[in-house]
Amino acid sequence: TQLLEQSPQFLSIQEGENLTVYCNSSSVFSSLQWYRQEPGEGPVLLVTVVTGGEVKKLKRLTFQFGDARKDSSLHITAAQPGDTGLYLCAGVLYSSASKIIFGSGTRLSIRP
Amino acid sequence: AAGVIQSPRHLIKEKRETATLKCYPIPRHDTVYWYQQGPGQDPQFLISFYEKMQSDKGSIPDRFSAQQFSDYHSELNMSSLELGDSALYFCASSLRVGINEQFFGPGTRLTVL
Repeated sequence: TQLLEQSPQFLSIQEGENLTVYCNSSSVFSSLQWYRQEPGEGPVLLVTVVTGGEVKKLKRLTFQFGDARKDSSLHITAAQPGDTGLYLCAGVLYSSASKIIFGSGTRLSIRP
Repeated sequence: AAGVIQSPRHLIKEKRETATLKCYPIPRHDTVYWYQQGPGQDPQFLISFYEKMQSDKGSIPDRFSAQQFSDYHSELNMSSLELGDSALYFCASSLRVGINEQFFGPGTRLTVL
């Protein structure tokens, strides 16, 4: 079973629409990161959230860390074709700070 | 800003051969991680090193070994390669103090024929 469940797994929407990706777990994380990965390339760090309830904005992307630090969401406003890619959430467990646990990923496709 | 460097970027090997992947972390980062990513899958943690000592171990096969050297670069050694070892191998580095954000390299694509 996946420690970090990400949903949806696939999402194809029209340019200009809004979307939300969810990352859920029963475990508590000391921090949670969101990455975006292009095919054949390494994941690129978008944001790290640390404090329960924290909200961070990166242009049209809004990231939120749950109050209990078990879940997170990524909201994209007015999606653009350039947002297409694989989005991965990854959490650092309190019990093991030396590795991060990746979610299953959300493959996002924005149609022009 | 300097990023994580991995070499080679592409590698083709035959079954039962050996391969060595190299990773050069971001300057001043003290921790290195290795991940394996199969087609359509999320990265799977293999092993990590902190200050040249093995820090954590994930799903790394016994045929694989790794180490971190005095200059903090790391090498992943893979022996008796199997077809199933074909994957993207990523190295990431971080500074352990603080929130431990991991920054990934561009990856090495290993193809085993």
